[in-house]
Amino acid sequence: GDSVTQMEGPVTLSEEAFLTINCTYTATGYPSLFWYVQYPGEGLQLLLKATKADDKGSNKGFEATYRKETTSFHLEKGSVQVSDSAVYFCARDYGGSQGNLIFGKGTKLSVKP
Amino acid sequence: AAGVIQSPRHLIKEKRETATLKCYPIPRHDTVYWYQQGPGQDPQFLISFYEKMQSDKGSIPDRFSAQQFSDYHSELNMSSLELGDSALYFCASSPLGGIGGSWDEQFFGPGTRLTVL
Repeated sequence: GDSVTQMEGPVTLSEEAFLTINCTYTATGYPSLFWYVQYPGEGLQLLLKATKADDKGSNKGFEATYRKETTSFHLEKGSVQVSDSAVYFCARDYGGSQGNLIFGKGTKLSVKP
Repeated sequence: AAGVIQSPRHLIKEKRETATLKCYPIPRHDTVYWYQQGPGQDPQFLISFYEKMQSDKGSIPDRFSAQQFSDYHSELNMSSLELGDSALYFCASSPLGGIGGSWDEQFFGPGTRLTVL
């Protein structure tokens, strides 16, 4: 069935390091793709999204490109900060008339000063 | 800007009791989604409503029911609670539509943390 697979964590980086969190999705339908971030004790916040192939979503220095050929939506940031420490979830919807989201397992990122 | 409101934020119940969680979507959002996030897990879709009608159903147990009211708020009713129901329950809302008929982004509430003892 439809699914999202993202790299397992936890990921620990030093401040100003480069971040990549891999995410792949099953290629059924024409989904929109999302990255959500969850800070400790808080709800989910949309970080960025892309609605069609080759779209690039970006926000707060984070970027992800919708790659249909590799069914991927990898999250990247050139220089992470301590405040980026959180759990990151990759997600897809079903496209069409079904809007509910399918999430990956989440990747916990810890950034050390 | 107004956000999704969920109440209560925390709830403690005993096994076999019932619980009702409430969700107030962002004004002019007509679609509501419910998700369950177990400890250390990814959120799992439970059920959604559009214009007060159930629009999709996910892994919602038969012991749970939900509805959307005329003012678009939604309630998730949970009966015969089990220890495994302990989780963070998120509500999200979105406005219908978007380019090409795709659904717009979902805005999540802060969640209700349910603990079943």
